[in-house]
Amino acid sequence: KNQVEQSPQSLIILEGKNCTLQCNYTVSPFSNLRWYKQDTGRGPVSLTIMTFSENTKSNGRYTATLDADTKQSSLHITASQLSDSASYICVVSDRGSTLGRLYFGRGTQLTVWP
Amino acid sequence: EADIYQTPRYLVIGTGKKITLECSQTMGHDKMYWYQQDPGMELHLIHYSYGVNSTEKGDLSSESTVSRIRTEHFPLTLESARPSHTSQYLCASSEHFVGQSEAFFGQGTRLTVV
Repeated sequence: KNQVEQSPQSLIILEGKNCTLQCNYTVSPFSNLRWYKQDTGRGPVSLTIMTFSENTKSNGRYTATLDADTKQSSLHITASQLSDSASYICVVSDRGSTLGRLYFGRGTQLTVWP
Repeated sequence: EADIYQTPRYLVIGTGKKITLECSQTMGHDKMYWYQQDPGMELHLIHYSYGVNSTEKGDLSSESTVSRIRTEHFPLTLESARPSHTSQYLCASSEHFVGQSEAFFGQGTRLTVV
């Protein structure tokens, strides 16, 4: 069964600190992996998209890594800011058909305290 | 920020009422999607469209219906709202099939049926 599991479920850190969020997936055949940021009450916004051949991708203070062999990804946030408080969702796409589909994790709820 | 808009942002309505959630995008995307998301849970695909006059049901069974008369417009309708329909509804669009291209999300409609 294709699944996406994220950990931790929630995380609290102090402003200025770094943190790493984890994503494990069983989606096969794999097409790409995305990280989205979802502020409370709003729609998800894309942070990074990585294909099978990419193992690192950065977007400002966000750096995503992908290990396609172990089917694991991480999102590292550097020098956290209060505005980083949000849910971070790992999404994996398959290539089982020409249409493709997205498999969503439940997200990690990050809270940054001043 | 993506050019995809949902209205209303919040809606509280009584049981048995008919409602329509609006979704419009100005990116010219053929592919559009409706997702349902409960608090702390993953997004579930309930409807999708690959172009005008094309609509399909998604993975999660839903009593809602959709239409696609114009490329930019993808409304979702509930003929008779029930408390079990209380949820957040997210509209998205993509240039190509969602497995191969970025999905852009609207800000969502938070529906409460009392």
